[in-house]
Amino acid sequence: NAGVTQTPKFQVLKTGQSMTLQCAQDMNHNSMYWYRQDPGMGLRLIYYSASEGTTDKGEVPNGYNVSRLNKREFSLRLESAAPSQTSVYFCASSARGADGYTFGSGTRLTVV
Amino acid sequence: AQSVTQLGSHVSVSEGALVLLRCNYSSSVPPYLFWYVQYPNQGLQLLLKYTSAATLVKGINGFEAEFKKSETSFHLTKPSAHMSDAAEYFCAVTPGNSGNTPLVFGKGTRLSVIA
Repeated sequence: NAGVTQTPKFQVLKTGQSMTLQCAQDMNHNSMYWYRQDPGMGLRLIYYSASEGTTDKGEVPNGYNVSRLNKREFSLRLESAAPSQTSVYFCASSARGADGYTFGSGTRLTVV
Repeated sequence: AQSVTQLGSHVSVSEGALVLLRCNYSSSVPPYLFWYVQYPNQGLQLLLKYTSAATLVKGINGFEAEFKKSETSFHLTKPSAHMSDAAEYFCAVTPGNSGNTPLVFGKGTRLSVIA
């Protein structure tokens, strides 16, 4: 089925370790987004890519980096994980603002 | 800048009762508004959207929402709750003329349905 695929689905890291969350979409969407979801906080934007070749910071970018590898793929990297980055991470994509987003199923990350 | 306020972090209704989830927005330009639903351990799914056409918008699973500019509101309703409606619901806003400006989400409302 067409959609947004995130890997891995679950991950446990030790403080200071690094990892990359992968996201790929097969809908030919121009824009891709990374959000984190924490209890009582809703979804907060980490980074987004309005089009291939561009990336911009969102509300909570500290401690993260992103790469828009091509039109399909948008990865999120944690260089030195901290317990405050324990969260559920969602990738999403859209063709244009009026369409809304298609979300992936999320990555549940625990940093110990 | 845009913002969304969802009144009530948790709403509980009886099966068959009216569902009303409240969303108020702030936007300096005419907005696009969205409601998403999230079932446990899943991603978010689009329920419905307002993009400056009809102010009463119908979505999936019997939900609808009405855009009221004078009240800056976009409340979500369903006439009769089902057990399967138990989930978390998020309201979101983006400027209507902005191309792909990211959505700003509310903090969510968890809906419980009591048998």
